[in-house]
Amino acid sequence: NAGVMQNPRHLVRRRGQEARLRCSPMKGHSHVYWYRQLPEEGLKFMVYLQKENIIDESGMPKERFSAEFPKEGPSILRIQQVVRGDSAAYFCASSPSRTEQYFGPGTRLTVT
Amino acid sequence: GESVGLHLPTLSVQEGDNSIINCAYSNSASDYFIWYKQESGKGPQFIIDIRSNMDKRQGQRVTVLLNKTVKHLSLQIAATQPGDSAVYFCAENPSYSGYALNFGKGTSLLVTP
Repeated sequence: NAGVMQNPRHLVRRRGQEARLRCSPMKGHSHVYWYRQLPEEGLKFMVYLQKENIIDESGMPKERFSAEFPKEGPSILRIQQVVRGDSAAYFCASSPSRTEQYFGPGTRLTVT
Repeated sequence: GESVGLHLPTLSVQEGDNSIINCAYSNSASDYFIWYKQESGKGPQFIIDIRSNMDKRQGQRVTVLLNKTVKHLSLQIAATQPGDSAVYFCAENPSYSGYALNFGKGTSLLVTP
């Protein structure tokens, strides 16, 4: 009974590179959410997806950030041309419906 | 703007005592609330939730109280243990926002022996 899985756990990128963060939801969960957490801050909602659809991307920056949840495979959060301000912990959560969201261990992105 | 905030950034309690962590919210449209526990280097862990049609909900050693009149939420932990040391977040889900959770900044709970 695996929980939400995220990889990589740690990712180091130089400014201008691309970062790809992957999330596999819990079995049976069709709702995926991405959140960003800065040090000593709460989590900030970025995007909510269901299979092959973006439902709510109101928290996503307009540029350089994109997300997908294909029919097969994990959900991907993609950050193009990373900048130092993108350094944060990125958490994925999943849920079977509009109920409690279960979080993965996060990906800690460091931009040098 | 609408926000979720916590009254105290840190809370220190002795092992065996009861802990109370408070949370204020300003969005009257919120109808679902969750408490999460986050240990260092890990993702938030679901503790307990409550819907706006309830005032109180109990779990194992934890109780959540919701006061909609003053828009206040609290998490009570009975017989606090060292393993309870973590950062605790309250999160709200406004009914109009779909599924997005709005998190507060967190309260750090430190349990001393």
